[in-house]
Amino acid sequence: DTGVSQDPRHKITKRGQNVTFRCDPISEHNRLYWYRQTLGQGPEFLTYFQNEAQLEKSRLLSDRFSAERPKGSFSTLEIQRTEQGDSAMYLCASSRDENEQYFGPGTRLTVT
Amino acid sequence: QKEVEQNSGPLSVPEGAIASLNCTYSDRVSQSFFWYRQYSGKSPELIMSIYSNGDKEDGRFTAQLNKASQYVSLLIRDSQPSDSATYLCAVLNRDDKIIFGKGTRLHILP
Repeated sequence: DTGVSQDPRHKITKRGQNVTFRCDPISEHNRLYWYRQTLGQGPEFLTYFQNEAQLEKSRLLSDRFSAERPKGSFSTLEIQRTEQGDSAMYLCASSRDENEQYFGPGTRLTVT
Repeated sequence: QKEVEQNSGPLSVPEGAIASLNCTYSDRVSQSFFWYRQYSGKSPELIMSIYSNGDKEDGRFTAQLNKASQYVSLLIRDSQPSDSATYLCAVLNRDDKIIFGKGTRLHILP
């Protein structure tokens, strides 16, 4: 399968714990995006990378969130000191430049 | 005004009929438009992209774009129960960022 992959698919954590998600994009895609989606809403942009450079971060992304794409391939999204409001589906997408974005299966986070 | 607006639905359409999904956007300089299908509990799946005014057909799907009216639509012909899903309209804005609408829930009645 050469699509976008994400790991883990589900994560249950207690409030205050740190969590880290991984995304592996389609291999020839230079852009990688992170979104958050809650029930009844469309995906909300969090941040994106072009190769290894993080080009933009949403104001939604508090200081507790950090993302990396160290070698321009896979990316990680870390949430520190999780809160119940962080419960959502975290989606990763990749694209070649500004063209069509293809999504991974998502990581569903539940903070208890 | 929200950047990308869609009617949340649900839109109920009899099997075999044409489903028409609509979307308006606020950024007049937007050039790229996308429709995604999302089944419950799954991630969005790209079904159509359109960049020029007019119609673009792909199988049972037709995307229509009118930049003057800032309006994009998706028609699904011969609707099937498997088309029941949420359809997300997405627009590439002037900041080179794709903005999604909240989606329209489509229900195909057998």
